[in-house]
Amino acid sequence: KAGVTQTPRYLIKTRGQQVTLSCSPISGHRSVSWYQQTPGQGLQFLFEYFSETQRNKGNFPGRFSGRQFSNSRSEMNVSTLELGDSALYLCASSYTGNTEAFFGQGTRLTVV
Amino acid sequence: DQQVKQNSPSLSVQEGRISILNCDYTNSMFDYFLWYKKYPAEGPTFLISISSIKDKNEDGRFTVFLNKSAKHLSLHIVPSQPGDSAVYFCAASGGNTGNQFYFGTGTSLTVIP
Repeated sequence: KAGVTQTPRYLIKTRGQQVTLSCSPISGHRSVSWYQQTPGQGLQFLFEYFSETQRNKGNFPGRFSGRQFSNSRSEMNVSTLELGDSALYLCASSYTGNTEAFFGQGTRLTVV
Repeated sequence: DQQVKQNSPSLSVQEGRISILNCDYTNSMFDYFLWYKKYPAEGPTFLISISSIKDKNEDGRFTVFLNKSAKHLSLHIVPSQPGDSAVYFCAASGGNTGNQFYFGTGTSLTVIP
């Protein structure tokens, strides 16, 4: 069974640009969550999608948005990038969202 | 606010001995707890979970203990192996948090051969 796949693995962007990250969950999983990891901050919850609907949202500005497609694949978009957005962005999938989640390898975003 | 806290950023243990990683939480509505292990440049890997109806859960060398009155959980690894060297995160969810998991900041475990 294939794991959670995130693309791209690495990304370098300039301040002010926008970026889209992609996540393909484990087959059969309908819940996809996104997290931001920065040094010393642990994993900060961004949002969770289930059956194409955003069910839960963390405390991030509106520049961070996402969506989920009918095949459960999810994308995360960050507009008007800031230097502080440099982080590892992790996607996690689970069957229902309230059980253990399985993470992808993450996308390392660097904003210069 | 940090609802899940791991107050020890790092821990070193000799191979073969017990590793004890600690985690405290503030939200009494949390009812499901997990531990993840993370190697550099990889995503976190699920290790073990426990629900609030239990106070202990074992899986091989890994045991998680939950003390609801103290809002504290711990992960015991016995015996510790060099391959266990990684960053360990605890996470919690439940109550009015919906499906959001709150993570601690992690403890970096080094097992010395």
